[in-house]
Amino acid sequence: DADVTQTPRNRITKTGKRIMLECSQTKGHDRMYWYRQDPGLGLRLIYYSFDVKDINKGEISDGYSVSRQAQAKFSLSLESAIPNQTALYFCATSALGGQETQYFGPGTRLLVL
Amino acid sequence: ELKVEQNPLFLSMQEGKNYTIYCNYSTTSDRLYWYRQDPGKSLESLFVLLSNGAVKQEGRLMASLDTKARLSTLHITAAVHDLSATYFCAVDQLGFGNEKLTFGTGTRLTIIP
Repeated sequence: DADVTQTPRNRITKTGKRIMLECSQTKGHDRMYWYRQDPGLGLRLIYYSFDVKDINKGEISDGYSVSRQAQAKFSLSLESAIPNQTALYFCATSALGGQETQYFGPGTRLLVL
Repeated sequence: ELKVEQNPLFLSMQEGKNYTIYCNYSTTSDRLYWYRQDPGKSLESLFVLLSNGAVKQEGRLMASLDTKARLSTLHITAAVHDLSATYFCAVDQLGFGNEKLTFGTGTRLTIIP
């Protein structure tokens, strides 16, 4: 089974709708991240969490919110989706200490019409 | 603000040839990560470079880090078709490890038979 899972894998929604993307991990990591990938722009950090009580904004947090329900779960919400939020969204996890890499989920492809 | 630049952005090369991808970054950091992404897939960790002068090799790929020059290189030796992918470097913003990464825009590598 995959260590980092994301649901849904694909989602089509309409402008103004609220949607939630979910991330779960079985790696036992404290740190979790949400990234957005757009063609030609690489990955950009939306929010990150170093533990259940610690939530931090990344470089592009406007229009997004997150919830860290447990060590293993980190959800990303779009309160009122807009077309320029169409992108590929990745969740990632990492261990304390910084000696290892971040581990990425399979991604959620979101289309906002 | 940390900026990470990769070049080239696109690279087509023939099988059997050697080439280097460059990753420059704008502020002090001694931790750099390389990832590979296949089309439609997630990111896969290739190398973790944790100090000045670090060199890591895996098969036909070798990565190095020069923190004084703020430069990392990913060298490809005798390229084969399987290496076709997009390669990203990422630099740790906080300086303590993998907590908060800034990604380059990626280098799309195509190996031509």
